[in-house]
Amino acid sequence: AQTVTQSQPEMSVQEAETVTLSCTYDTSENNYYLFWYKQPPSRQMILVIRQEAYKQQNATENRFSVNFQKAAKSFSLKISDSQLGDTAMYFCAFMKHASDMRFGAGTRLTVKP
Amino acid sequence: DVKVTQSSRYLVKRTGEKVFLECVQDMDHENMFWYRQDPGLGLRLIYFSYDVKMKEKGDIPEGYSVSREKKERFSLILESASTNQTSMYLCASSLFQGNAGNTIYFGEGSWLTVV
Repeated sequence: AQTVTQSQPEMSVQEAETVTLSCTYDTSENNYYLFWYKQPPSRQMILVIRQEAYKQQNATENRFSVNFQKAAKSFSLKISDSQLGDTAMYFCAFMKHASDMRFGAGTRLTVKP
Repeated sequence: DVKVTQSSRYLVKRTGEKVFLECVQDMDHENMFWYRQDPGLGLRLIYFSYDVKMKEKGDIPEGYSVSREKKERFSLILESASTNQTSMYLCASSLFQGNAGNTIYFGEGSWLTVV
Protein backbone atom coordinates (compact mmCIF):
# COMPACT_ATOMS: atom_id res chain seq x y z
CA ALA A 1 0.00 0.00 0.00
CA GLN A 2 1.10 3.51 -0.71
CA THR A 3 2.24 5.71 2.18
CA VAL A 4 2.69 9.46 2.32
CA THR A 5 5.01 11.12 4.83
CA GLN A 6 5.09 14.75 5.83
CA SER A 7 7.98 15.12 8.23
CA GLN A 8 7.22 18.69 9.35
CA PRO A 9 4.21 18.83 11.69
CA GLU A 10 4.47 22.61 12.04
CA MET A 11 6.21 25.41 10.20
CA SER A 12 6.15 29.17 10.27
CA VAL A 13 7.24 31.85 7.83
CA GLN A 14 7.31 35.62 7.75
CA GLU A 15 4.92 37.37 5.45
CA ALA A 16 6.38 37.89 1.95
CA GLU A 17 9.03 35.20 2.42
CA THR A 18 9.28 31.80 0.79
CA VAL A 19 8.63 28.49 2.51
CA THR A 20 8.94 24.88 1.36
CA LEU A 21 6.85 22.03 2.71
CA SER A 22 8.23 18.51 2.34
CA CYS A 23 6.47 15.34 1.28
CA THR A 24 7.75 11.89 0.45
CA TYR A 25 5.79 8.86 -0.62
CA ASP A 26 6.29 5.21 -1.18
CA THR A 27 4.87 3.36 -4.16
CA SER A 28 5.74 0.74 -6.73
CA GLU A 29 3.42 2.33 -9.28
CA ASN A 30 4.73 4.19 -12.30
CA ASN A 31 1.68 6.26 -13.18
CA TYR A 32 -0.09 8.19 -10.46
CA TYR A 33 -1.08 11.65 -9.30
CA LEU A 34 0.14 13.83 -6.47
CA PHE A 35 -1.71 16.67 -4.81
CA TRP A 36 -1.30 19.39 -2.25
CA TYR A 37 -4.47 20.35 -0.43
CA LYS A 38 -4.93 23.33 1.88
CA GLN A 39 -7.26 23.35 4.86
CA PRO A 40 -7.69 26.86 6.31
CA PRO A 41 -9.02 27.36 9.82
CA SER A 42 -12.57 27.43 8.38
CA ARG A 43 -11.93 23.72 7.65
CA GLN A 44 -12.93 23.30 4.00
CA MET A 45 -10.14 21.52 2.17
CA ILE A 46 -9.27 22.98 -1.22
CA LEU A 47 -6.89 21.86 -3.95
CA VAL A 48 -3.67 23.88 -4.23
CA ILE A 49 -1.82 22.07 -6.96
CA ARG A 50 -1.71 18.74 -8.81
CA GLN A 51 1.12 16.85 -10.50
CA GLU A 52 0.83 13.93 -12.89
CA ALA A 53 3.71 11.50 -12.45
CA TYR A 54 4.29 11.00 -16.16
CA LYS A 55 4.91 14.72 -16.64
CA GLN A 56 8.46 15.77 -15.91
CA GLN A 57 7.66 19.46 -15.75
CA ASN A 58 6.92 20.71 -12.26
CA ALA A 59 3.41 22.09 -11.78
CA THR A 60 2.96 25.77 -10.95
CA GLU A 61 -0.08 27.73 -9.81
CA ASN A 62 0.66 31.40 -9.24
CA ARG A 63 2.71 31.61 -6.01
CA PHE A 64 2.62 27.85 -5.50
CA SER A 65 5.01 25.47 -7.20
CA VAL A 66 6.21 21.94 -6.65
CA ASN A 67 9.54 20.18 -6.85
CA PHE A 68 8.67 16.70 -8.09
CA GLN A 69 11.52 14.20 -7.91
CA LYS A 70 10.06 10.93 -9.16
CA ALA A 71 13.12 8.76 -8.57
CA ALA A 72 13.47 10.07 -5.03
CA LYS A 73 9.68 9.88 -4.50
CA SER A 74 9.65 13.42 -3.24
CA PHE A 75 7.00 16.08 -3.83
CA SER A 76 7.66 19.36 -2.02
CA LEU A 77 5.52 22.49 -2.14
CA LYS A 78 7.06 25.94 -2.39
CA ILE A 79 5.02 28.97 -1.45
CA SER A 80 6.52 32.25 -2.62
CA ASP A 81 5.65 35.69 -1.28
CA SER A 82 3.75 34.14 1.63
CA GLN A 83 0.52 35.85 2.62
CA LEU A 84 -1.44 35.78 5.87
CA GLY A 85 -4.19 33.89 4.03
CA ASP A 86 -1.77 31.03 3.42
CA THR A 87 -2.02 30.09 7.10
CA ALA A 88 -3.55 26.61 7.05
CA MET A 89 -2.96 22.89 7.32
CA TYR A 90 -1.39 21.53 4.18
CA PHE A 91 -1.86 17.92 3.17
CA CYS A 92 0.14 16.04 0.60
CA ALA A 93 -1.78 13.26 -1.15
CA PHE A 94 -1.08 10.38 -3.52
CA MET A 95 -3.63 8.90 -5.90
CA LYS A 96 -3.50 5.92 -8.19
CA HIS A 97 -7.25 5.38 -8.21
CA ALA A 98 -9.97 7.59 -6.74
CA SER A 99 -10.78 4.90 -4.19
CA ASP A 100 -7.19 4.68 -3.02
CA MET A 101 -6.12 8.23 -2.27
CA ARG A 102 -3.56 8.47 0.54
CA PHE A 103 -2.97 11.56 2.62
CA GLY A 104 -0.03 12.57 4.75
CA ALA A 105 -0.48 13.64 8.36
CA GLY A 106 -0.35 17.31 7.40
CA THR A 107 1.86 20.34 8.05
CA ARG A 108 0.45 23.28 9.97
CA LEU A 109 1.79 26.46 8.38
CA THR A 110 1.59 29.80 10.13
CA VAL A 111 2.38 32.99 8.25
CA LYS A 112 3.50 35.72 10.62
CA PRO A 113 3.00 39.42 9.92
CA ASP B 1 -18.37 26.13 -8.21
CA VAL B 2 -18.66 22.64 -6.87
CA LYS B 3 -20.49 22.55 -3.60
CA VAL B 4 -20.32 19.68 -1.13
CA THR B 5 -22.63 20.34 1.78
CA GLN B 6 -22.54 18.52 5.07
CA SER B 7 -25.74 18.99 7.00
CA SER B 8 -24.26 19.28 10.48
CA ARG B 9 -21.08 21.14 11.43
CA TYR B 10 -21.09 20.25 15.12
CA LEU B 11 -22.79 17.35 16.84
CA VAL B 12 -22.67 15.97 20.36
CA LYS B 13 -24.05 12.46 20.78
CA ARG B 14 -24.21 9.94 23.60
CA THR B 15 -22.50 6.58 23.58
CA GLY B 16 -24.73 3.99 21.95
CA GLU B 17 -26.77 6.46 19.92
CA LYS B 18 -27.30 5.96 16.20
CA VAL B 19 -25.78 8.87 14.31
CA PHE B 20 -26.45 10.02 10.76
CA LEU B 21 -24.09 12.34 8.91
CA GLU B 22 -25.55 13.63 5.66
CA CYS B 23 -23.73 14.93 2.61
CA VAL B 24 -25.02 16.40 -0.64
CA GLN B 25 -23.07 17.44 -3.74
CA ASP B 26 -24.42 19.53 -6.58
CA MET B 27 -22.08 18.66 -9.46
CA ASP B 28 -23.48 15.30 -10.55
CA HIS B 29 -20.29 13.54 -9.43
CA GLU B 30 -20.24 9.77 -9.58
CA ASN B 31 -17.76 9.31 -6.72
CA MET B 32 -18.44 10.21 -3.13
CA PHE B 33 -16.30 9.62 -0.08
CA TRP B 34 -16.36 9.74 3.69
CA TYR B 35 -13.07 10.44 5.42
CA ARG B 36 -12.17 10.71 9.06
CA GLN B 37 -9.58 13.33 10.08
CA ASP B 38 -7.58 13.00 13.29
CA PRO B 39 -4.52 14.99 14.42
CA GLY B 40 -1.29 13.35 13.37
CA LEU B 41 -3.07 10.80 11.22
CA GLY B 42 -4.23 12.91 8.30
CA LEU B 43 -7.33 11.73 6.46
CA ARG B 44 -8.37 8.11 6.44
CA LEU B 45 -10.99 6.72 4.08
CA ILE B 46 -14.01 5.15 5.73
CA TYR B 47 -16.16 4.34 2.69
CA PHE B 48 -16.23 5.15 -0.99
CA SER B 49 -19.18 5.04 -3.40
CA TYR B 50 -18.83 5.14 -7.18
CA ASP B 51 -22.53 4.93 -8.04
CA VAL B 52 -25.97 4.80 -6.51
CA LYS B 53 -26.26 1.85 -4.13
CA MET B 54 -22.60 0.92 -4.77
CA LYS B 55 -20.00 1.16 -2.02
CA GLU B 56 -16.53 -0.02 -1.15
CA LYS B 57 -14.88 -0.23 2.24
CA GLY B 58 -11.98 2.05 2.89
CA ASP B 59 -9.24 1.70 5.47
CA ILE B 60 -11.37 2.06 8.61
CA PRO B 61 -14.95 0.87 7.94
CA GLU B 62 -15.48 -0.84 11.29
CA GLY B 63 -18.32 0.73 13.24
CA TYR B 64 -19.63 2.62 10.21
CA SER B 65 -22.04 2.01 7.38
CA VAL B 66 -23.12 4.16 4.44
CA SER B 67 -26.13 4.71 2.25
CA ARG B 68 -26.35 6.12 -1.26
CA GLU B 69 -29.92 6.02 -2.51
CA LYS B 70 -29.53 9.06 -4.77
CA LYS B 71 -26.53 10.16 -6.77
CA GLU B 72 -26.17 13.48 -5.01
CA ARG B 73 -26.50 12.20 -1.45
CA PHE B 74 -24.14 10.04 0.61
CA SER B 75 -24.87 9.30 4.24
CA LEU B 76 -22.53 8.00 6.92
CA ILE B 77 -24.13 6.01 9.73
CA LEU B 78 -22.69 5.19 13.10
CA GLU B 79 -24.89 2.33 14.28
CA SER B 80 -23.86 2.65 17.92
CA ALA B 81 -21.61 5.62 18.57
CA SER B 82 -18.58 5.13 20.78
CA THR B 83 -16.18 7.64 22.30
CA ASN B 84 -13.37 6.55 19.96
CA GLN B 85 -15.47 7.81 17.07
CA THR B 86 -15.11 11.38 18.30
CA SER B 87 -13.51 13.04 15.30
CA MET B 88 -13.88 15.34 12.32
CA TYR B 89 -15.69 13.71 9.40
CA LEU B 90 -15.18 14.97 5.87
CA CYS B 91 -17.40 14.20 2.91
CA ALA B 92 -16.01 14.58 -0.60
CA SER B 93 -16.92 13.99 -4.22
CA SER B 94 -15.24 13.68 -7.62
CA LEU B 95 -15.90 12.67 -11.19
CA PHE B 96 -15.94 9.00 -12.12
CA GLN B 97 -13.20 6.59 -11.14
CA GLY B 98 -12.12 5.71 -14.64
CA ASN B 99 -10.50 9.07 -15.07
CA ALA B 100 -7.99 8.95 -12.24
CA GLY B 101 -6.49 12.18 -11.10
CA ASN B 102 -9.74 14.08 -10.92
CA THR B 103 -9.87 16.68 -8.20
CA ILE B 104 -11.65 15.63 -5.05
CA TYR B 105 -13.90 18.35 -3.60
CA PHE B 106 -14.51 18.44 0.12
CA GLY B 107 -17.27 19.60 2.39
CA GLU B 108 -16.60 21.79 5.41
CA GLY B 109 -16.56 18.85 7.78
CA SER B 110 -18.65 17.63 10.68
CA TRP B 111 -17.23 17.71 14.17
CA LEU B 112 -18.66 14.80 16.11
CA THR B 113 -18.20 14.45 19.85
CA VAL B 114 -19.40 11.26 21.50
CA VAL B 115 -19.82 11.50 25.27
